[in-house]
Amino acid sequence: AQTVTQSQPEMSVQEAETVTLSCTYDTSESDYYLFWYKQPPSRQMILVIRQEAYKQQNATENRFSVNFQKAAKSFSLKISDSQLGDAAMYFCAYRSFNTGTASKLTFGTGTRLQVTL
Amino acid sequence: DGGITQSPKYLFRKEGQNVTLSCEQNLNHDAMYWYRQDPGQGLRLIYYSQIVNDFQKGDIAEGYSVSREKKESFPLTVTSAQKNPTAFYLCASRTQGKGADTQYFGPGTRLTVL
Repeated sequence: AQTVTQSQPEMSVQEAETVTLSCTYDTSESDYYLFWYKQPPSRQMILVIRQEAYKQQNATENRFSVNFQKAAKSFSLKISDSQLGDAAMYFCAYRSFNTGTASKLTFGTGTRLQVTL
Repeated sequence: DGGITQSPKYLFRKEGQNVTLSCEQNLNHDAMYWYRQDPGQGLRLIYYSQIVNDFQKGDIAEGYSVSREKKESFPLTVTSAQKNPTAFYLCASRTQGKGADTQYFGPGTRLTVL
């Protein structure tokens, strides 16, 4: 079974600075997807960024980018030019490429990000 | 306006009662999912459905039931057999076509047992 570990329960960053959230996972599969979801105080889960394991290039979405290290099974999220609206819980998630698992997502326990002035 | 809706936003239940949480989507997505979120934990899968009239148990299905009579709807019933039902419940859906790797979530329902 796959597991996802987020070892930082809380992180803090000053506005306009850069912060990196860590995520490691354990799997025996070679093809899979990785995601970062944001959960603001409203509690709705919002997709931030996704990465296909077969792509070597790191995904980027505006101020958000990932550092995907497949051999190390690491998938960190970098937020540049942090804004107050970035304050939220961030969840790392894994999804098998095998459609037989019906696209089940396995989540980490989350990292709470605070953004200070 | 396309999206996933969940109702109610807050739900209170007395012990011994069954309650049903609604999840509707107008995205024409084939697959739908129910997750439970507890404090300090990530989301855990309760049930999922890939097509109408078919659904499978997830990791924590005990004490829950679902139906999938329409493509747009995937209601979750929390039965009296669920020993600790107080939690935040999230519904998600996913297309089978392009972009099929991503699940999109509704706003959630907070269930509290009194």
